Amino acid sequence: NAGVTQTPKFQVLKTGQSMTLQCAQDMNHEYMSWYRQDPGMGLRLIHYSVGAGITDQGEVPNGYNVSRSTTEDFPLRLLSAAPSQTSVYFCASSYIRDLYNSPLHFGNGTRLTVT
Amino acid sequence: AQSVTQLDSHVSVSEGTPVLLRCNYSSSYSPSLFWYVQHPNKGLQLLLKYTSAATLVKGINGFEAEFKKSETSFHLTKPSAHMSDAAEYFCVVSARAGGYNKLIFGAGTRLAVHP
Repeated sequence: NAGVTQTPKFQVLKTGQSMTLQCAQDMNHEYMSWYRQDPGMGLRLIHYSVGAGITDQGEVPNGYNVSRSTTEDFPLRLLSAAPSQTSVYFCASSYIRDLYNSPLHFGNGTRLTVT
Repeated sequence: AQSVTQLDSHVSVSEGTPVLLRCNYSSSYSPSLFWYVQHPNKGLQLLLKYTSAATLVKGINGFEAEFKKSETSFHLTKPSAHMSDAAEYFCVVSARAGGYNKLIFGAGTRLAVHP
């Protein structure tokens, strides 16, 4: 059971470049989400999805796009990278039943640097 | 509105001594509270959760936390620290925001354990 898998682990981009961070889970979780982690700020929600074909914005969505064509996959796209997007990105998933109390399962993160 | 404050950004203890990581929360209703642990270069792992059942919650690896409504606190404790406990710890409150599970993270407490 792989859990939540994120690729790549590390990425360096130049300002203006685009890229996609991949996230896949094999637990049949309906709920998937993307967070960014910055020093001293905890984790902040970027986008989330409650099922295939359904996505919505979190706290800090600007500069990021998502899609959810399957239950398993939830890619995060940076259309035009900016230095402010230098961060560690985490994908997390959970069951949607009793979503309020359900713990999240996290991937190991993608460390992104934008120069 | 919900918020969470971790009172110490760094805590340093000696192996075999007690651990106390402090967390205060703010919530307009009965919250769900979590502690997550993050080891270096890893994703976050659930330690324990409080969801309005017993106020003393036991988690993995000997950790426990006590929900005190009168003090709006959810401090994490462990009787005897182990070297493997060195990590960053996040206190999290779960908020209802529309239909999704919005987790509000504290800024984190980095625990160092010395021989």
